Amino acid sequence: EPEVTQTPSHQVTQMGQEVILRCVPISNHLYFYWYRQILGQKVEFLVSFYNNEISEKSEIFDDQFSVERPDGSNFTLKIRSTKLEDSAMYFCASRRNEQFFGPGTRLTVL
Amino acid sequence: QKEVEQDPGPLSVPEGAIVSLNCTYSNSAFQYFMWYRQYSRKGPELLMYTYSSGNKEDGRFTAQVDKSSKYISLFIRDSQPSDSATYLCAMSPLSNTGKLIFGQGTTLQVKP
Repeated sequence: EPEVTQTPSHQVTQMGQEVILRCVPISNHLYFYWYRQILGQKVEFLVSFYNNEISEKSEIFDDQFSVERPDGSNFTLKIRSTKLEDSAMYFCASRRNEQFFGPGTRLTVL
Repeated sequence: QKEVEQDPGPLSVPEGAIVSLNCTYSNSAFQYFMWYRQYSRKGPELLMYTYSSGNKEDGRFTAQVDKSSKYISLFIRDSQPSDSATYLCAMSPLSNTGKLIFGQGTTLQVKP
């Protein structure tokens, strides 16, 4: 059964460093998303991506964040200068009709 | 008022019990309603997906949507210890972006 995959499963970084989180969506899906979940809190929408451009972004998704689909399979989230409060689980999702989530990347900013 | 409200629990039931999980929402634009199951430190797993009002059944799971009351429910029959997880309701307006708004999640424990 096709699934969304994400790498790495866990990323530890120093405050101020850049990180890139990677996702491989399900192959025939057209819409791609990033969400985050701070420990103990609800899953929050960050950004949606369709037809090679951002279709919607939340207030959280400021200039420090960017997304890219560099080839036909990968979908990446870049955080340019990480802050302590960026520590969270980051989930990639893709959809054709229903939205399917990847296993997540746990980002720890020290 | 929060857009989506969900009692975080925890909810503890004996094996075989019927479980009722609920969410309320305030945005009348929501048209798509989903239930996800999430195990600790894992990604949300889609359980049920419904459009607009009505019921949908899949095995031991039944999803209900009452748009007039802005209330959705997930029923689990014959609950099993393997059902122990956090259950997230999520909803989306009728738009191309499809962003999901999640509830807080309800933690369920089914005791053998």
